[in-house]
Amino acid sequence: GAGVSQSPSNKVTEKGKDVELRCDPISGHTALYWYRQSLGQGLEFLIYFQGNSAPDKSGLPSDRFSAERTGGSVSTLTIQRTQQEDSAVYLCASSFGITNNEQFFGPGTRLTVL
Amino acid sequence: AQSVTQLDSQVPVFEEAPVELRCNYSSSVSVYLFWYVQYPNQGLQLLLKYLSGSTLVKGINGFEAEFNKSQTSFHLRKPSVHISDTAEYFCAVTSVGYSTLTFGKGTMLLVSP
Repeated sequence: GAGVSQSPSNKVTEKGKDVELRCDPISGHTALYWYRQSLGQGLEFLIYFQGNSAPDKSGLPSDRFSAERTGGSVSTLTIQRTQQEDSAVYLCASSFGITNNEQFFGPGTRLTVL
Repeated sequence: AQSVTQLDSQVPVFEEAPVELRCNYSSSVSVYLFWYVQYPNQGLQLLLKYLSGSTLVKGINGFEAEFNKSQTSFHLRKPSVHISDTAEYFCAVTSVGYSTLTFGKGTMLLVSP
């Protein structure tokens, strides 16, 4: 596709359930990023994948959060045992992987935990 | 470590007036700076970026920003805003040796007739 796509666009879940959020980066981009956007908190970095290197997980807020990237392309962010404070918009971005290169963002997944 | 401060959470302005959105950063190494815009219910779109060279950077939609190393600032300006500029604006920084962007908390630009 022409841009980064994310699915679902909206997800409502009950506290304690697991959720999976998907990101399809731009074809050919080697770097993929996950951010969380909470009201009043701006954008918070979660995790970063670059090629075949080990991911930078330094931004994950707890061990309930994990992510994988299969075949160097599609990525899935998994949140286990969701809590109400996990409610946020989860944004995915991709780039050619160099720090000064533009990151292209997807439209996000709005997660609501009841 | 790196950080970004956007001093104004909200900036109201009338159409055709000039606007400045403030951004200050901190980093112990050389930086690259970005401004992104987020329209309602959409993802982020790059407005402009500073990598090196001229400190005055021009971007899309008539926006420009000036990198000031001594004041560690990267303020965004537009001489005459339109209603369609109403959106949230994020300043971001990355540094040599870092792989990710650090964002400010955003400034909501509200343009009224």
